[in-house]
Amino acid sequence: TQLLEQSPQFLSIQEGENLTVYCNSSSVFSSLQWYRQEPGEGPVLLVTVVTGGEVKKLKRLTFQFGDARKDSSLHITAAQPGDTGLYLCAGAAGANNLFFGTGTRLTVIP
Amino acid sequence: DTGVSQNPRHKITKRGQNVTFRCDPISEHNRLYWYRQTLGQGPEFLTYFQNEAQLEKSRLLSDRFSAERPKGSFSTLEIQRTEQGDSAMYLCASSSSRWPLYNEQFFGPGTRLTVL
Repeated sequence: TQLLEQSPQFLSIQEGENLTVYCNSSSVFSSLQWYRQEPGEGPVLLVTVVTGGEVKKLKRLTFQFGDARKDSSLHITAAQPGDTGLYLCAGAAGANNLFFGTGTRLTVIP
Repeated sequence: DTGVSQNPRHKITKRGQNVTFRCDPISEHNRLYWYRQTLGQGPEFLTYFQNEAQLEKSRLLSDRFSAERPKGSFSTLEIQRTEQGDSAMYLCASSSSRWPLYNEQFFGPGTRLTVL
């Protein structure tokens, strides 16, 4: 079983601050996805990274895939209350299912 | 709305009863996945279909669980003789089967099961 560890588990920050969430594993993944989940809803796909060292930007969110394709980070610039949610990373080791981390619960205080 | 849909959104049942959930994937997706998510955890894989074929089942999928996708479109997940430990959010996702799109799984809103 591929284990994905996310840190921190909980993060509470003021609006306008920057933050970074980490996703680490000892396994190599063919791709890695980041999702955001609201309470009572399913995860919503934010981004997919495939190539080691790849960086993708989505407005104020920057995603990076580690060179060895074992880890990833999500950086949010100038966080807003609408960024509040559970951020999940998910790794794909092959052609089938995704392995999810336990998530980082972010609260942005206005 | 062309996203993944799941019904019902909530189900409360008594221990020992059978329940069935339905998932309608994105129409052009031929892969369909079932996951289970408990409080404070990320989703855990249960099983997946490519078209009507069930290609993989997790060890989490006990013999009380059965999933079908008879015509390669919608899928059902049945739990027989429910136990309190089955209480969870059951999530369905769909994707294309082409690289790298098959790892971009799109999730439905989930069915929240509570077993009393």
